[in-house]
Amino acid sequence: DIVMTQTPLASAVTLGQPVAISCRSSQSLVHDDGNTYLSWLHQRPGQPPRLLLLEISKRLKGVPDRFTGSGAGTDFTLEISRVEAEDVGLYYCMQATEFPLTFGGGTMVEIK
Amino acid sequence: QVQLVQSGAEVQTPGASVKVSCKTSGYTFNTYGLTWVRQVPGQGLEWMGWVAYNGITNYAHKFQGRVTMTTDRSTSTGYLQLRSLTSDDTAVYYCARVSRSKCFDHWGQGTAVTVSS
Repeated sequence: DIVMTQTPLASAVTLGQPVAISCRSSQSLVHDDGNTYLSWLHQRPGQPPRLLLLEISKRLKGVPDRFTGSGAGTDFTLEISRVEAEDVGLYYCMQATEFPLTFGGGTMVEIK
Repeated sequence: QVQLVQSGAEVQTPGASVKVSCKTSGYTFNTYGLTWVRQVPGQGLEWMGWVAYNGITNYAHKFQGRVTMTTDRSTSTGYLQLRSLTSDDTAVYYCARVSRSKCFDHWGQGTAVTVSS
């Protein structure tokens, strides 16, 4: 199984400041079809997860442009350029390149 | 708009089975897959398996043999059945739509399943 490792486990950020979350996979996420099926999700307390980005960097419709995804191969990053209060919660990366699909352990973003 | 509405909370005894439904609307059901993800209280997300748009299922190894995921195209509803429940199966179970980009772009509200004697 592909292991997804996220760092840090938690990050306390001042409103308006940036934050970056790293996601590393145990093997390349480049699929045989040439695509990289790495997505990022956000989960607020008591809510279901919400998709933010797919295929590394493509924002779902309605996702603010302060969310940016980057990376390739086995190393990926989610950056929030200016954290807002609504951004608190858990962030997960997920790979869908190979079965079984696997999630990172999650990164908690809190406001200082 | 796309909506996935799940059935209500369940309490089951060890050894029993549970069946959770996921009623979808707002899109053409048979052009997207449906997946199930669970979250044990205080823990992360765990993929259980999916039914692809063409009806082909793929289950996580951990659940093979005691999970069945089905869809009813006539009602645009997906179902998750989990058998031989133990207390370790106490979790919130989510359904989500699977896009052609293999991402989970819309989610149900979750169904809490409690397994207790």
